[in-house]
Amino acid sequence: QKEVEQNSGPLSVPEGAIASLNCTYSDRGSQSFFWYRQYSGKSPELIMSIYSNGDKEDGRFTAQLNKASQYVSLLIRDSQPSDSATYLCAVNRANAGNMLTFGGGTRLMVKP
Amino acid sequence: DAGITQSPRHKVTETGTPVTLRCHQTENHRYMYWYRQDPGHGLRLIHYSYGVKDTDKGEVSDGYSVSRSKTEDFLLTLESATSSQTSVYFCATQDVIGEASPLHFGNGTRLTVT
Repeated sequence: QKEVEQNSGPLSVPEGAIASLNCTYSDRGSQSFFWYRQYSGKSPELIMSIYSNGDKEDGRFTAQLNKASQYVSLLIRDSQPSDSATYLCAVNRANAGNMLTFGGGTRLMVKP
Repeated sequence: DAGITQSPRHKVTETGTPVTLRCHQTENHRYMYWYRQDPGHGLRLIHYSYGVKDTDKGEVSDGYSVSRSKTEDFLLTLESATSSQTSVYFCATQDVIGEASPLHFGNGTRLTVT
């Protein structure tokens, strides 16, 4: 089992819809969770961080964390074509200080 | 991020030659990382540094070495480049305050080994 798993996609949603991206992780001791967006040919950029169970909202983005079930998700409301990118989930390793493990990413396509 | 500069941005080199990639940060972050990103493999950690002259191996360190003589600079050297090292290389920094902090990435170096 991979430490951090994401469906590679592509996930295709129509413009204006809600895109739901999911990530599961194996280390029960993980405490810090991050979502990165990566446009083709560009570097990953941080869009959300979450540390506590529940929802965290930032504009059109909502991160959801459920430590008991070991998953973290990212919801993008009112999806726009400019949201088309690969979304990477990153989780800290409980026994490795500040090291982050990345999932393979989910490619999102928002169709006009 | 504006505070993390990778050089060169693109490089083509021949098999067997040494190559050095540079990462320079102006953020004064303690931790620095080198990742490679390949289709189907995502981001894989090569080496990291937790301070000046303090470095350690990541999951794919074979064939790579690093050095950090100053807080702001982290060098990645391919001792004898091979075609399997053709990849996009990202440097990242991390400023640790309390809980694990996010990584901030440079713009990447696209390396082709012919």
